[in-house]
Amino acid sequence: KNEVEQSPQNLTAQEGEFITINCSYSVGISALHWLQQHPGGGIVSLFMLSSGKKKHGRLIATINIQEKHSSLHITASHPRDSAVYICAVRSNTGNQFYFGTGTSLTVIP
Amino acid sequence: DTAVSQTPKYLVTQMGNDKSIKCEQNLGHDTMYWYKQDSKKFLKIMFSYNNKELIINETVPNRFSPKSPDKAHLNLHINSLELGDSAVYFCASRFGPYTEAFFGQGTRLTVV
Repeated sequence: KNEVEQSPQNLTAQEGEFITINCSYSVGISALHWLQQHPGGGIVSLFMLSSGKKKHGRLIATINIQEKHSSLHITASHPRDSAVYICAVRSNTGNQFYFGTGTSLTVIP
Repeated sequence: DTAVSQTPKYLVTQMGNDKSIKCEQNLGHDTMYWYKQDSKKFLKIMFSYNNKELIINETVPNRFSPKSPDKAHLNLHINSLELGDSAVYFCASRFGPYTEAFFGQGTRLTVV
């Protein structure tokens, strides 16, 4: 079992829809990251969270440390949001990083 | 100006060869990483350097050797390449452990 589980694995949405991607983890963490990998392969770091909530434009990331769960929300989704979204955590014991397998999002015009 | 740049972008080589991938960041970050993304798109950290010192070394064959000549560079040297080394390798950097990471564009290594 992977230390980081994401759901759904694949998601197709209509333009304008509100999207939620979930991430659950089983280890103690010092930080959680949301990454975006574009169809061309480039990776962008969207958020780094250790508690609470962060917002950047139409993207919102939340984390619940007690429940070991984070969500990434996209409001008013757009075709350019189509990408793979990856959740990653840094453990609080040692320096291990664990990655989810990614959620492939396709937003249809 | 590219913040984190990797070269080359594509690398095709024969089994048994030795090759290097270079990474440079101009952000003044003190921590740099190498990640491997396999054919199933699964990302895995390989190494992390902080101020030229190795701080993370995951279970990676010792054919892989990172080299950090200075804080702005973290190169990855691979000896005796094997078919299973074929993957996309990403370099990244950040300033301290609790800040956003910036990724290079990736190097697609194909071993034939």
